Parts: sequence; C-alpha cells; structure tokens
Amino acid sequence: SQQGEEDPQALSIQEGENATMNCSYKTSINNLQWYRQNSGRGLVHLILIRSNEREKHSGRLRVTLDTSKKSSSLLITASRAADTASYFCATDGGYSSASKIIFGSGTRLSIRP
Amino acid sequence: DAGVIQSPRHEVTEMGQEVTLRCKPISGHNSLFWYRQTMMRGLELLIYFNNNVPIDDSGMPEDRFSAKMPNASFSTLKIQPSEPRDSAVYFCASSGLVDRETQYFGPGTRLLVL
Repeated sequence: SQQGEEDPQALSIQEGENATMNCSYKTSINNLQWYRQNSGRGLVHLILIRSNEREKHSGRLRVTLDTSKKSSSLLITASRAADTASYFCATDGGYSSASKIIFGSGTRLSIRP
Repeated sequence: DAGVIQSPRHEVTEMGQEVTLRCKPISGHNSLFWYRQTMMRGLELLIYFNNNVPIDDSGMPEDRFSAKMPNASFSTLKIQPSEPRDSAVYFCASSGLVDRETQYFGPGTRLLVL
C-alpha cells in the first residue's frame, strides 16, 4: 500500500509562477524525499528532509515537513517549461534499514509557456 | 560515471512466454531495488536486495515472478509465464552506503505482453 499521497494529482500553471505540491503520509518516518520523473524516464532524486528538520532549500526548490500533521510540501519557484514532470514524495515508513522507501501516487505538473 | 543500466529498454512478448529483465547497478552501490509502474497502481516496490541478498520480496505479485542477484553488478527479474496484466514499466534502482536513503533509477524497461 502507498505510504504517501500527493495533492493535487495534476497541476497546470503558467511559466514563471510558483508550483506547490503536497504530500501526506500515514506512519512515523525518519526522512521524506521528493523525486521527479520526466515522461518516459526513471525517477530522479530532488531533495531529502529528515524528521528533525522543518524546511530545506535546494536552488528553486523549497521543502517543508510537518511531522505533527504527517505532511510535506514541495514548492518550485519561478517555474520553467523544463519543470514539466511528475513529482513523487517517498517515505521510509520508519524502517530501520533505511533502504526501503515507499512512493506516493505523484503529482503531474504541467508548465504552460 | 555510468548510471543504473537496464536492458532491454522495450520488450514485446506473447502471453505465456518467459521474460527476463536485466539490471546493472551503479558500481559500489550495495542495495538494489526492482519496481513496477502502471497507471492504475502507480510505483510498486517488488523486491530489494542488500549485499546481493534478498531482504524483502513481499511486493512480488505471485510465483510467476522471481529475482536474482548473483553478484554485486548484476540482477535479473524473470516472469514465467508472462500475462497481459504484467504489462508495465519495470525500474531498477540502486543505493550506496554513503547517502543510502537516495535511490538512483535506471531508465526502465517497458514491457508489453500481448
């Protein structure tokens, strides 16, 4: 069963606007990750946030984590056409092995030129 | 450095045939994962290995699926006999001892069973 659920399932915005995607999960976690998947490609790791962190930045990406609400958000600022992709959150479900992660259903982001 | 390598990239076969998917993880990585992605079920973890040993195969759909990792640089996922509902994109991913939470995905094998 999926641990994370992204919201919205699909998002279409104008180039230059900010895109926000949300992820909710069910069990305690050690960390949460966000991945991107371009059409026809494998997933690419974007950013990891640990359970003791509340916010993390990487370039135009900003991730927040609220463990009390079991939720995370991914903000992409100043969106570009190349940001068109599906975005997945992934959690470790608190597994001690730190190897197994469970992916959500993803948000399909479309950037209109 | 080469990333995760998967072969074939595309496979079309007829129901009942054996299908073998191959994966070469990133050199030095000690964990390897097989996933299946479909529109209906999303991305599902089938099985993963640590140091060539299968750790969790609870995601393998049924006995028709089997996976092996004979050495640190090669793994196979076999479906025998294949069925149309096995049609999906199969991804292999690997992770290492450093930054072990991050998984690096291959390009996937798109399987169509007729």
